[in-house]
Order: sequence, then C-alpha cells, then structure tokens
Amino acid sequence: QKEVEQDPGPLSVPEGAIVSLNCTYSNSAFQYFMWYRQYSRKGPELLMYTYSSGNKEDGRFTAQVDKSSKYISLFIRDSQPSDSATYLCAGGTANAGKSTFGDGTTLTVKP
Amino acid sequence: NAGVMQNPRHLVRRRGQEARLRCSPMKGHSHVYWYRQLPEEGLKFMVYLQKENIIDESGMPKERFSAEFPKEGPSILRIQQVVRGDSAAYFCASSPAQGSEQYFGPGTRLTVT
Repeated sequence: QKEVEQDPGPLSVPEGAIVSLNCTYSNSAFQYFMWYRQYSRKGPELLMYTYSSGNKEDGRFTAQVDKSSKYISLFIRDSQPSDSATYLCAGGTANAGKSTFGDGTTLTVKP
Repeated sequence: NAGVMQNPRHLVRRRGQEARLRCSPMKGHSHVYWYRQLPEEGLKFMVYLQKENIIDESGMPKERFSAEFPKEGPSILRIQQVVRGDSAAYFCASSPAQGSEQYFGPGTRLTVT
C-alpha cells in the first residue's frame, strides 16, 4: 500500500465548476501537507502548504486536512482552462526532510 | 528573487557514461531535496541535504548514485555508469527550514541512449 494515495483520474469539468481533489494517507506521523500543480514537462508549482488539521484558503484554492480520517482535499473555485494540469498532494513530518507524494490527479477544465 | 535553478535542462548520455545534475536553491534556502519522476508516475524522494551534510539518503539507490551540497556552489546529483532505467526527470527542491514548504526547480530530463 502506498503511503499517499490519489485517484489518478482523469477528471474533466466545465469552466467555472468547483473542483474537488482528494488524497488519503496512511502515515499518522505526517504533520504537514502540500498541494502542487504540475503542467506537462514542467516543475511542480506549490499551491498550498498546511500544518496539522484544518482549512486554509488562498484565492480560488482551499485546502482541507482531516487528520482523524487521514484525508486531505484541495478545492478549486471558478475553475479555468489554465487550471488543466496534474495535481500532486504530499505529506511529511516536521523532523524529517523527505516528503511523500501521491502519483497525481490529471484535471482538464473545458472552456 | 530567483527561484530554484537547475541545469542542464536536458541531458543525453550513452550507457556507461556519467551524468551530473546541478541545483541552485532559492536565495536564503539551505535545505535541498532531490526527487525523481518516471513517466506517468509521481515524485519519488531520493536525498535530503543541508550545506555540507547528507541528512537523509533513504531514497537513493545504493550504487552509482551520489549527492553533495558543498559550502560554496550548487548541489550536485551524480549518476555513474548510467543505464537506460535512469532515464527520468530529476527535480530539485529547496526550503528555508526542515519541514517547511518546498519549492521546485524546472527539472533536468535525463535520457540514456
């Protein structure tokens, strides 16, 4: 079993829709979580960093962490065609450097 | 403020040659991480370094791979005697502190022929 699981998709939504991306993890020691957006053949771009449980909002993006169920989510409001990319979630512990990534969910936003 | 820089962006090596990948972290960041991404797969952790120290190399293959982050200059990921299975995108990330957000570079795409 992978430490971080993501539904690979692909996920296709119309422009303007609310997108929900989800990950589950198995390592209860994880303290921080990150979401990245990766365009084809580019480096991952950090969208959100959250520490412990709770919600965090930044513009059109909202990250949620539920440590009791080991479930993390990223919501994208008013989705745009430019949001079409692969989204990666990751978790890690504060006293270790490595982060463990999911394999990514491919999102297409259709105009 | 320049982001994480990696060079070369593309590298072609024949089997048996050596590959050297370089990473300059963001200004003010002293923590560097290397990840490998195979086609259609996620990022796999390889090694975590601070200046002059390897902190965690649990994801690094035991043979042919090494990494360093000297006091001066970029971090280097070195792959000796490359094989076709080493073909992948290698990404470097940096952070201002252990356990904080990591920022990625554009990656080096290694092709072994």
